[in-house]
Amino acid sequence: SQQGEEDPQALSIQEGENATMNCSYKTSINNLQWYRQNSGRGLVHLILIRSNEREKHSGRLRVTLDTSKKSSSLLITASRAADTASYFCATLRDNYGQNFVFGPGTRLSVLP
Amino acid sequence: DAGVIQSPRHEVTEMGQEVTLRCKPISGHDYLFWYRQTMMRGLELLIYFNNNVPIDDSGMPEDRFSAKMPNASFSTLKIQPSEPRDSAVYFCASSLRAPWGIYTEAFFGQGTRLTVV
Repeated sequence: SQQGEEDPQALSIQEGENATMNCSYKTSINNLQWYRQNSGRGLVHLILIRSNEREKHSGRLRVTLDTSKKSSSLLITASRAADTASYFCATLRDNYGQNFVFGPGTRLSVLP
Repeated sequence: DAGVIQSPRHEVTEMGQEVTLRCKPISGHDYLFWYRQTMMRGLELLIYFNNNVPIDDSGMPEDRFSAKMPNASFSTLKIQPSEPRDSAVYFCASSLRAPWGIYTEAFFGQGTRLTVV
């Protein structure tokens, strides 16, 4: 069963605009991670936020985590055509294993 | 390091045949994961290993699927007999748990696109 659910399923924006994707999960987590997948390729790790953190930045990426609402958001600022990809959140379901569970993903299209 | 290496990249087989997918994790990583990705079901965790030992195989769909990790540098996912509904992209990933219990990110291979006709 999927733990994380990304929202929206698809997002289309113009180059230079900001893109926001959300992720909701069901059970307590150790950390939450965001990954990107270009068409036909494997997933690439973007950023990890631990359960005791509320916000994290990496370049043009900003991730927030609200454990009370069991939700996270990924903001990509000043988007580029190269950001076109699917974005997934992954949660570590418990503290005793490393079984990453991915949501269905958000398909982002950045139009030039 | 070359990253996680999967082979073959593409596999086309006939229904009923045995299929073996291979994975070489990143050296030093102690976790290895097998995922399946389809349009309908998204990314599904099939099984994962820690130090070559299967920890959670609850995602393996049927007895036709089996996975092994005979050593730290090699794992296989076998489907026998294969069926058309097994057509998907299969990903292998590996990760490292830091000594103080902090979990790190997973590194993915490029995947094996399996088509069962």
